[in-house]
Amino acid sequence: EPEVTQTPSHQVTQMGQEVILRCVPISNHLYFYWYRQILGQKVEFLVSFYNNEISEKSEIFDDQFSVERPDGSNFTLKIRSTKLEDSAMYFCASSEGVLGAYEQYFGPGTRLTVT
Amino acid sequence: KNQVEQSPQSLIILEGKNCTLQCNYTVSPFSNLRWYKQDTGRGPVSLTIMTFSENTKSNGRYTATLDADTKQSSLHITASQLSDSASYICVVSLNQAGTALIFGKGTTLSVSS
Repeated sequence: EPEVTQTPSHQVTQMGQEVILRCVPISNHLYFYWYRQILGQKVEFLVSFYNNEISEKSEIFDDQFSVERPDGSNFTLKIRSTKLEDSAMYFCASSEGVLGAYEQYFGPGTRLTVT
Repeated sequence: KNQVEQSPQSLIILEGKNCTLQCNYTVSPFSNLRWYKQDTGRGPVSLTIMTFSENTKSNGRYTATLDADTKQSSLHITASQLSDSASYICVVSLNQAGTALIFGKGTTLSVSS
C-alpha cells in the first residue's frame, strides 16, 4: 500500500542552525501538508501546498519557515535559524484532493530536537 | 475561537469491552469531521471522515456519529483489542476546502488484558 515517507526520522541541531525536513508524498496525490506536534501537545497545522504554491498557512508558519517541491517527488520544510521551541515532531501528509472529504495520509514524522 | 475539545482525556478498559469517546467543536465554517488513531511516536491514521450531512460512519469495529446541530461527535469502539491502545484524535476541517485541520488533544485509550 502506498505510504508517505519522511527523512530523517530524527534530527538534532543546534539553536540558530537551518534544517531541512524531507517528505515523499504518495505519488498520485496533489495536495501536501506539514503539521507539527510538540511533545505532549496536539497536532497543529502549519501549511498546505498545491500546484507549487502555498494554499494556506497558519500563524505558526512565519518567515522562519518555507516549503518547496524541488522535484516531482520530494516535498521539503525548511526551518531557518532554529529555536529551542521548534523542537517537535513534524508530520508531512498528502491527499488526492481537498473538496469534500479526501483523506489525508500522514507520514511517520521527523523528530526535531534543537539544543 | 475555533476549538476541538475531547473527553475523557484518558480511559482504561478491559479487552473485549466497548467504549465511547466524545468530541465537541466550535469550528466554523465546518466542512468535515475526522477521527484519527495515533500510536505513540507515529503519524495519525484516519479512521472515519464525515461531512456535515452525515450522521454516522463505520469502519470495522469503529463507529463515529455526528450531530452538526449540537456540534458533537462520538467514536464508539466495539469489542476492544490490545492493539486499540492509542490516542484517538477528533479533527475538524477549518474551511470548505478542508485543507486546514484543527486537531483535538486526543483521548488516550489503554486496553488491558
